[in-house]
Amino acid sequence: AQSVAQPEDQVNVAEGNPLTVKCTYSVSGNPYLFWYVQYPNRGLQFLLKYITGDNLVKGSYGFEAEFNKSQTSFHLKKPSALVSDSALYFCAVVNTNAGKSTFGDGTTLTVKP
Amino acid sequence: EAQVTQNPRYLITVTGKKLTVTCSQNMNHEYMSWYRQDPGLGLRQIYYSMNVEVTDKGDVPEGYKVSRKEKRNFPLILESPSPNQTSLYFCASKLAGSYEQYFGPGTRLTVT
Repeated sequence: AQSVAQPEDQVNVAEGNPLTVKCTYSVSGNPYLFWYVQYPNRGLQFLLKYITGDNLVKGSYGFEAEFNKSQTSFHLKKPSALVSDSALYFCAVVNTNAGKSTFGDGTTLTVKP
Repeated sequence: EAQVTQNPRYLITVTGKKLTVTCSQNMNHEYMSWYRQDPGLGLRQIYYSMNVEVTDKGDVPEGYKVSRKEKRNFPLILESPSPNQTSLYFCASKLAGSYEQYFGPGTRLTVT
């Protein structure tokens, strides 16, 4: 069975500081990994994905994520946080052989001015 | 505009009264899926469909039914809703061979 863990319910950072939202996964075979963001009263929006290739993937709004196979992690990062980045972030893993998607519990990011 | 639509957006109902939440996408996506979002539990997959007439269970299918008679529509059916199905529901779709899902705006269901 595949699983995703987001160990932090909440991450607080000051505007302008770097941010990291953590994600670890477990899946048989090669992982297909994703980050989605959810703003209040909205559906999820795709941020970035890792399928294959370079371990550092870049996505929307200046976000990037680093795939680490040995640590089975896919942490989301941004060099300089904005107040508008405050939202709920979900990490997800997809079974490459089927349509099954597994999401983490989500991490609330709060960026303070 | 490319989008996933859900109706209704808000629904309050009583235990045992059958209901259907509709989901429609205009992007010709083969894959569609339903999720429920609960505090502290994240997003959990209920059912998914790889194409017309092909559906499969996700992690929490109990108490739900789906059908995929047309490519664009994927309704979620609660035959006999119970209070533990009070949740925020999201429909999503994607192209076959792609992995990025497009989510609808959500349906907030309350079962009393």
